[in-house]
Amino acid sequence: GAGVSQSPSNKVTEKGKDVELRCDPISGHTALYWYRQSLGQGLEFLIYFQGNSAPDKSGLPSDRFSAERTGGSVSTLTIQRTQQEDSAVYLCACSGANNEQFFGPGTRLTVL
Amino acid sequence: GQQVMQIPQYQHVQEGEDFTTYCNSSTTLSNIQWYKQRPGGHPVFLIQLVKSGEVKKQKRLTFQFGEAKKNSSLHITATQTTDVGTYFCAGGTGRRALTFGSGTRLQVQP
Repeated sequence: GAGVSQSPSNKVTEKGKDVELRCDPISGHTALYWYRQSLGQGLEFLIYFQGNSAPDKSGLPSDRFSAERTGGSVSTLTIQRTQQEDSAVYLCACSGANNEQFFGPGTRLTVL
Repeated sequence: GQQVMQIPQYQHVQEGEDFTTYCNSSTTLSNIQWYKQRPGGHPVFLIQLVKSGEVKKQKRLTFQFGEAKKNSSLHITATQTTDVGTYFCAGGTGRRALTFGSGTRLQVQP
């Protein structure tokens, strides 16, 4: 597609429920990143996929967070047993050979 | 681990004044990138610097990469209201993911 898409754009869930956030990157971009951004704050790195290499999961805040990237394309970020502090905008980005990161519009997650 | 510090956190200027944000890394970088995030939007790539001492210009924006490749700056000449947003630097050290600075939020008073 023309850019990075993310779905849903907004997600409201109850504390304790699981959520899945989806990212469709730009075709052919081998690197994919997930970030979290709380209101008025910077970008918190979560996880990084590069081609067929093992993902860099060093930014995941707890074992409730996991992510997959199937077929080197679409990625899903899963948050289990959501907590109120998980409320934030979750941003996905991808990059090609020149390292420029293209960001999606984000998913705004609200945990009640 | 690698840390990227960015100052100031916030700057409020009158339209027409200049603005500078500074970025400092705890480790030597292979490259540095700058992004702009408008209020309510997502970060958008501005530029990448890779060479020691490199200076690049985009209209009123001037980007510098330090000689030691540990610091960088973004300078905006004669700010306009369209410059409002948060400016992030992001440092790269090879194949690992970029480390983003905390951002500088710029407010421009017309």
